[in-house]
Amino acid sequence: DTAVSQTPKYLVTQMGNDKSIKCEQNLGHDTMYWYKQDSKKFLKIMFSYNNKELIINETVPNRFSPKSPDKAHLNLHINSLELGDSAVYFCASRRRQAPFTEAFFGQGTRLTVV
Amino acid sequence: KQEVTQIPAALSVPEGENLVLNCSFTDSAIYNLQWFRQDPGKGLTSLLLIQSSQREQTSGRLNASLDKSSGRSTLYIAASQPGDSATYLCAVATGNQFYFGTGTSLTVIP
Repeated sequence: DTAVSQTPKYLVTQMGNDKSIKCEQNLGHDTMYWYKQDSKKFLKIMFSYNNKELIINETVPNRFSPKSPDKAHLNLHINSLELGDSAVYFCASRRRQAPFTEAFFGQGTRLTVV
Repeated sequence: KQEVTQIPAALSVPEGENLVLNCSFTDSAIYNLQWFRQDPGKGLTSLLLIQSSQREQTSGRLNASLDKSSGRSTLYIAASQPGDSATYLCAVATGNQFYFGTGTSLTVIP
């Protein structure tokens, strides 16, 4: 059983297109995240949802819009894709209430904008 | 804002050697610290989690320590193997998120 699953694993698309990445966790965690890993492999938070409520929204272009239909899902929609959006996007989840559990990450979605 | 640094950025060792990876953070108000492993083109695999009240955790050949007051953690790998080659990341957890270090790229030479 995959704890945190993302789809698709690879996404190649043209500039200007709109695309979505889906994430699901089956761990019963109350908090989910989207992280972006850049070309230098540095991971930076984009969004965090707790019980379907947005609690972190870092400085991310408003072309990026997260949506959490329920606690187990956090999808990422990107409008008008740009070359600079090319990166690996990771979804993660954990329990935010003490004792804080370890975070689990999905396998990542490698987005290439051409 | 929390800043996490990992030293060294890259490390190459012969098989069988013991090694230490370092992680330092600027704000000691953390909930826990987690060590991850990332293989090329792959996701993050959790190795060890240390809660803020703990000093160390062990799993097999891995031992992680935490000194919250000085803002440091180390990951000790005993008897390294070629299969240990990967990038190792530490992540410091606050209430709302976790901050990642810059990673240490480890190569174990057969």
